[in-house]
Amino acid sequence: AQRVTQPEKLLSVFKGAPVELKCNYSYSGSPELFWYVQYSRQRLQLLLRHISRESIKGFTADLNKGETSFHLKKPFAQEEDSAMYYCALLIRSGNEKLTFGTGTRLTIIP
Amino acid sequence: TAGITQAPTSQILAAGRSMTLRCTQDMRHNAMYWYRQDLGLGLRLIHYSNTAGTTGKGEVPDGYSVSRANTDDFPLTLASAVPSQTSVYFCASSVDRGYGYTFGSGTRLTVV
Repeated sequence: AQRVTQPEKLLSVFKGAPVELKCNYSYSGSPELFWYVQYSRQRLQLLLRHISRESIKGFTADLNKGETSFHLKKPFAQEEDSAMYYCALLIRSGNEKLTFGTGTRLTIIP
Repeated sequence: TAGITQAPTSQILAAGRSMTLRCTQDMRHNAMYWYRQDLGLGLRLIHYSNTAGTTGKGEVPDGYSVSRANTDDFPLTLASAVPSQTSVYFCASSVDRGYGYTFGSGTRLTVV
């Protein structure tokens, strides 16, 4: 069965320190993965997609098929990075649906 | 650009009552989705619609129904609310495969 696992519910990092939010997936097909971010009392926003290989707000994520991971990284944390982060897997079996992980709440300590 | 509009923003509902959560998009997206967000459980898909006139069940459809009479609107109805339906509900839409979803601002529902 398809599944997205975010092992850390809470993560606290000092400002200026590196950030890594973990995401692992299980899916027998070709994975398409996303990171979404939800700032306090705001809607979910797409942060980045693995197929675009882009860097958004200093964040990057590389798909590692061998480890079935899609960890989100940023070299230097900023206070405005405090938010809820969701990893999501796109399933293309007939109907297109996003399966989300349980989320990681990132808190940046000033 | 409005994107996706959800109403109401929040609601307190007595158990056993019915309620319809509204979702409207102005982007002409074919696919629309309803998720519920619960602490520790993330977002779980309730129902979806790939195009106007069609709907499908997601991961947690029980107690909910949807309709898709046209491209823009995708209402979610709770026929007889129960406290376990207390949650934040997000509507989303997508233009095409692989581009990700656009989300509404959510409806915070409390069933008492």
